[in-house]
Amino acid sequence: KQEVTQIPAALSVPEGENLVLNCSFTDSAIYNLQWFRQDPGKGLTSLLLIQSSQREQTSGRLNASLDKSSGRSTLYIAASQPGDSATYLCAVMGARGSARQLTFGSGTQLTVLP
Amino acid sequence: DGGITQSPKYLFRKEGQNVTLSCEQNLNHDAMYWYRQDPGQGLRLIYYSQIVNDFQKGDIAEGYSVSREKKESFPLTVTSAQKNPTAFYLCASTLIGAQDYGYTFGSGTRLTVV
Repeated sequence: KQEVTQIPAALSVPEGENLVLNCSFTDSAIYNLQWFRQDPGKGLTSLLLIQSSQREQTSGRLNASLDKSSGRSTLYIAASQPGDSATYLCAVMGARGSARQLTFGSGTQLTVLP
Repeated sequence: DGGITQSPKYLFRKEGQNVTLSCEQNLNHDAMYWYRQDPGQGLRLIYYSQIVNDFQKGDIAEGYSVSREKKESFPLTVTSAQKNPTAFYLCASTLIGAQDYGYTFGSGTRLTVV
């Protein structure tokens, strides 16, 4: 059964700092990996999706990498801002079976201090 | 704008009462999913449906029921058999057959037992 782990569980940084969030998964048979942002009491907003054949994706100040063989992904946030404060969730879409289910990590709660 | 609409945003349930959470999408997505989120935990899959009139149990289906009579609608009923229903419920959808396609989430329903 796929398991997804996110480290650290919480992170607090001063504004302007570059930071890296980590995600690891146990089963490399995946279609894609998706990074989401969740603000308190809100739904999930998709940030980046990396297909299994890709190594990285970029959107603005965000860069996500994927090493499928080692079961790891990182989300790099450049020049962090207080508005980046949120919980970041990593999810993998398994390629075993046809259900296209996502398995989620528990998230990293990020606080960017002004 | 296309998206997923969940209603109500907040719901209160008395002991022994069944309640139904609504999820509607206008994205023409094939598959729809219900997740439960508890504080400090990742999302856990309750039920999913890939086509109309068909649905499958997820990891924590006990005490819940669903229907999929229309492609755009996937309501979730929390029955009195669910012993600890207080949680944040999220609905999602995606396209089948597109490996580079991720999930879209609704804004969630917070259910509280009173």
